[in-house]
Amino acid sequence: DGGITQSPKYLFRKEGQNVTLSCEQNLNHDAMYWYRQDPGQGLRLIYYSQIVNDFQKGDIAEGYSVSREKKESFPLTVTSAQKNPTAFYLCASSLRHLNTEAFFGQGTRLTVV
Amino acid sequence: GQSLEQPSEVTAVEGAIVQINCTYQTSGFYGLSWYQQHDGGAPTFLSYNALDGLEETGRFSSFLSRSDSYGYLLLQELQMKDSASYFCAVFNNAGNMLTFGGGTRLMVKP
Repeated sequence: DGGITQSPKYLFRKEGQNVTLSCEQNLNHDAMYWYRQDPGQGLRLIYYSQIVNDFQKGDIAEGYSVSREKKESFPLTVTSAQKNPTAFYLCASSLRHLNTEAFFGQGTRLTVV
Repeated sequence: GQSLEQPSEVTAVEGAIVQINCTYQTSGFYGLSWYQQHDGGAPTFLSYNALDGLEETGRFSSFLSRSDSYGYLLLQELQMKDSASYFCAVFNNAGNMLTFGGGTRLMVKP
């Protein structure tokens, strides 16, 4: 079955550590996105990528980094520079030229301990 | 930049009709989408409008007015399972940047 998979579902990070969230899709989508969602809030765009080896900053990119070495994969690293990383992180993908629908993974809940 | 405004919360009774509004500002408009998200879950796509008018999909309909930078989601025959957050979102036509509004929490009461 085609879909988009995020792992892990829950992640705990100590202060000062970098952590990487995985996002893989087998939908053959060109575009991929990372969003952050805080409790009771909307989705804020961190980074997005339209094609392999290319990505752009979204509205809240500071303290985060991404790579897009393969079409299927768009990992997000939450660095120690992100001062308040505890949140729900959602990855999504969409077709590049038929931009009518984005498909979401089930999310990763990151907690700083 | 892009911004979308929608009410933070709406309450309605089972069987009723509710309308969730969305106004947007964007540099280059491609289309307006709506997503549903249950607590703790992933957003799921509901509808998309690229042209003015009403799109109907079962109990849900979505409307767009490009001249007014405005759209709405209409939910009919409300059911308890419709209790969720609803987000409007826009793609800009410069690329695949998808921006979401702050979400409207819908509570359906018996």
